[in-house]
Amino acid sequence: EVQLVESGGGLVQPGGSLRLSCAASGFTFSDSAMHWVRQASGKGLEWVGRIKSKADNYGTEYAAPMKGRFTISRDDSKNTAYLQMNSLETEDTAVYYCTRLGGGPDALDMWGQGTMVTVSS
Amino acid sequence: SYELTQPLSVSVALGQTARITCGGNNIGRKNVHWYQQKPGQAPVLIIFRNNNRPSGIPERFSGSNSGNTATLTISRAQAGDEADYHCQVWDKSPAVFGGGTKLTVL
Repeated sequence: EVQLVESGGGLVQPGGSLRLSCAASGFTFSDSAMHWVRQASGKGLEWVGRIKSKADNYGTEYAAPMKGRFTISRDDSKNTAYLQMNSLETEDTAVYYCTRLGGGPDALDMWGQGTMVTVSS
Repeated sequence: SYELTQPLSVSVALGQTARITCGGNNIGRKNVHWYQQKPGQAPVLIIFRNNNRPSGIPERFSGSNSGNTATLTISRAQAGDEADYHCQVWDKSPAVFGGGTKLTVL
C-alpha cells in the first residue's frame, strides 16, 4: 500500500524540541522529494520546508519562520523523513503533515495522516 | 513574497455548479494545484497544473487559470463535496497556499 505515516507528535513546552518521523511505503522513496506542511487549528495550510532526493544532493529549504529552528533530513535506507524542531514556540502548535512531491504532477500528490504538535506550558 | 487569495466560503445548491477562485498577481503564468480537505482528514490533490486530474478524481472537478485568477469548478455538486479547498503554487522553491475556502452544499 502506498502511504506516508507520521509519528512523534505530542505536547512540548515552549523552547523545547521535538522530532517528527515520516515512514514511507509503496513507492520509491529515495527518488522523491519530501515536504512538510502544517496546519494550525481552523487555519489554512502552511509550507514548512522540503528535502530533495539524493540525485539533487538532498537539498533543503525552509519557510522563513522556521529557518534556523527546524531541520529536515532523511534516511533512504529506512524510507523515512524527519523534521527536527527546536526552540519551539506556541505559534508552532499545529498538525504537521508529511507530503511527497509527485514528479509528474509537480504537486504534493501524497499526504500522511498528520501528527499533532502542541507547544504549551 | 507571493500571496494567494481565496474566499472564506462558497455555497452551492445540490446538483449545481460551484466555482472557487484563487487570486494572485499574474497567477496565469504559474501552475496552480488544488487540494480537497474533508474535516479531520489530510488534504488530497484533486487538480494539478491548472486543469489536470489525478487518477480517481471525478470529471466533475475541473480547473482553469488565466490572468490574476485561477478557478476550481465543481459540477453537479454532491453532499460529499463539502470540504475545504486549498489552492497552491510554487514561488520558486517554497510552496504558497491560499487561505482555503469552505464549500457548503445546500
